[in-house]
Amino acid sequence: DAGVIQSPRHEVTEMGQEVTLRCKPISGHNSLFWYRQTMMRGLELLIYFNNNVPIDDSGMPEDRFSAKMPNASFSTLKIQPSEPRDSAVYFCASSLSWQGALEQYFGPGTRLTVT
Amino acid sequence: DQQVKQNSPSLSVQEGRISILNCDYTNSMFDYFLWYKKYPAEGPTFLISISSIKDKNEDGRFTVFLNKSAKHLSLHIVPSQPGDSAVYFCAASGGAQKLVFGQGTRLTINP
Repeated sequence: DAGVIQSPRHEVTEMGQEVTLRCKPISGHNSLFWYRQTMMRGLELLIYFNNNVPIDDSGMPEDRFSAKMPNASFSTLKIQPSEPRDSAVYFCASSLSWQGALEQYFGPGTRLTVT
Repeated sequence: DQQVKQNSPSLSVQEGRISILNCDYTNSMFDYFLWYKKYPAEGPTFLISISSIKDKNEDGRFTVFLNKSAKHLSLHIVPSQPGDSAVYFCAASGGAQKLVFGQGTRLTINP
């Protein structure tokens, strides 16, 4: 079974450029999560979707960040314009949400460097 | 305000011995707890979980203990193997799907 797929694995861009990160969740999973990992803040939740609908975006740092999930098998996280402080590893995770089981399955991450 | 804390950034254990990783939480609404393992350049991998209605859950070499009164959980790995060397994260949930993660503990198993 394919796990969560993220692309690209590495992204290097210049400040001010638009960055789009992509995620394909595990087939059949109905919840999708975007996380950011930095040395300072650890692993923090940015936004999550249930059945393609954004449920909680309180972790999105500012309006430069946006996320979409147009269908059950694809999601994007966009940063526009990017800034050096956005440099981090961005993880996508998915889960099959039902009461009592909250295990999330993570993709390999996208390492973003903004110069 | 860090709701989930792993106070030991690193831990070194001899192969074959027991590894004990600790995690404390402050939010009494948390009712489900998970441990993840992370290798370099990979995403976190789910390891084991426990509901607040239990105080112990075991899966092979891995056992998670929950002490609700102390707001403390621990992960025991017995016996420790070189492949267990990784960063371990504990995470907690308060009924919604959101997980709050600790900062992680880097476990090194020495041969």
